[in-house]
Amino acid sequence: DAGITQSPRYKITETGRQVTLMCHQTWSHSYMFWYRQDLGHGLRLIYYSAAADITDKGEVPDGYVVSRSKTENFPLTLESATRSQTSVYFCASRNREYEQYFGPGTRLTVT
Amino acid sequence: SQQGEEDPQALSIQEGENATMNCSYKTSINNLQWYRQNSGRGLVHLILIRSNEREKHSGRLRVTLDTSKKSSSLLITASRAADTASYFCATDAGGEDRGSTLGRLYFGRGTQLTVWP
Repeated sequence: DAGITQSPRYKITETGRQVTLMCHQTWSHSYMFWYRQDLGHGLRLIYYSAAADITDKGEVPDGYVVSRSKTENFPLTLESATRSQTSVYFCASRNREYEQYFGPGTRLTVT
Repeated sequence: SQQGEEDPQALSIQEGENATMNCSYKTSINNLQWYRQNSGRGLVHLILIRSNEREKHSGRLRVTLDTSKKSSSLLITASRAADTASYFCATDAGGEDRGSTLGRLYFGRGTQLTVWP
């Protein structure tokens, strides 16, 4: 199916554990993004990627790591999860007209 | 901050009425976009207006942009219960923010629209 998918959709993990959130898009868009959405903050950019092997920090990158070995995948890793990283995470890709397409989100709870 | 700020934070109307949401921003922009988010879902792109455009239509949506006032408005005409959602404006600051952040969007906190049947 064409589109952008995220997995898992829901995740509960413990403080200190490593967690990887997956994102996959089928459009071959060059740009991809990771956001987190929290009440009172709206969407905040964590990391983005302009192409395979090119990534850059957004507004709130601390505690997160990304990689982009293939154009279609953009995984986000929390190296040592903290309670403050409890959030809803959205992956997005961008077409040539600057419009962004969002995945369904991953709801992460860190206990 | 380069974030857009939506106003009002919440809007409640009856079906058939028009809904108007406003967005203000602080820096020069390449384009401004509006997105909708239904509860528990991802954001959906609605419409993009470029910095050299003043008005754009898409179905029941009308977007205006005033770059001198650094503001935009989204009008939804003849609202339906299915329009109930959060609406976000997002600015692409390509003008002053090229290079490392080209294509990056800055989102506001959104307007929660409720349309009652």
